[in-house]
Amino acid sequence: SYVLTQSPSVSVAPGQTASITCGGANIGTKGVHWYQQKPGQAPVLVLYDDSDRPSGIPERISGSKSDNMATLTIRRVEGGDEADYYCQVWDRSSDHPYVFGTGTKVTVL
Amino acid sequence: QVHLVESGGGLVKPGESLRLSCAASGFTFSKHYMSWIRQAPGKGLEWISFISSSGSVDDYADSVKGRFTISRDNARMTLHLQMNNLRVEDTAFYYCARAPGRTTSGLVVDYFDYWGQGTLVTVSS
Repeated sequence: SYVLTQSPSVSVAPGQTASITCGGANIGTKGVHWYQQKPGQAPVLVLYDDSDRPSGIPERISGSKSDNMATLTIRRVEGGDEADYYCQVWDRSSDHPYVFGTGTKVTVL
Repeated sequence: QVHLVESGGGLVKPGESLRLSCAASGFTFSKHYMSWIRQAPGKGLEWISFISSSGSVDDYADSVKGRFTISRDNARMTLHLQMNNLRVEDTAFYYCARAPGRTTSGLVVDYFDYWGQGTLVTVSS
């Protein structure tokens, strides 16, 4: 089955930029979606289709993608950005169509 | 305003059954694919099942196939997950989640735009 790999953790100082990567085979051919999950809360969609933001998501959060890597970037990091972030793709050829990444914990120093 | 509220979680013993429900409001429930996604304490997200808008198509992760059944009642705007023969490893928060449905780009089912707050299922002897 399809596997998405994320680095376990990222630490960033307030005001700086955090980059969260999501690796998968030929991920460039798939739409990548990102969720933010704060402690004790349900996940929230923050990016869909690689780089589109749902309403209410600040422009500080952006997404990009290459052939084998997708990246979520948070500029001007704030304390409220501290959360777990998960990438996700829909792999229609897989036994499990919805695949989540392993998750990255973002810590604001 | 889209609202998804799960219920039915609790503490059960291995081999027992539990039925989760997800009450939807604020949108046309019958037009959206729905999924159940779970998260073991301190772990990542695991998709376990989806059902099409009409209920005619569903699918399951291997970890629950043959034990869990997803269903929906579009008239009552409710999603269900019948969980049988529960195992210790099924212990998790269970979330229902909505796929966006039909947009200007066509039918979009490949991500989740709204999630419920989750319900905790604990399987322990």
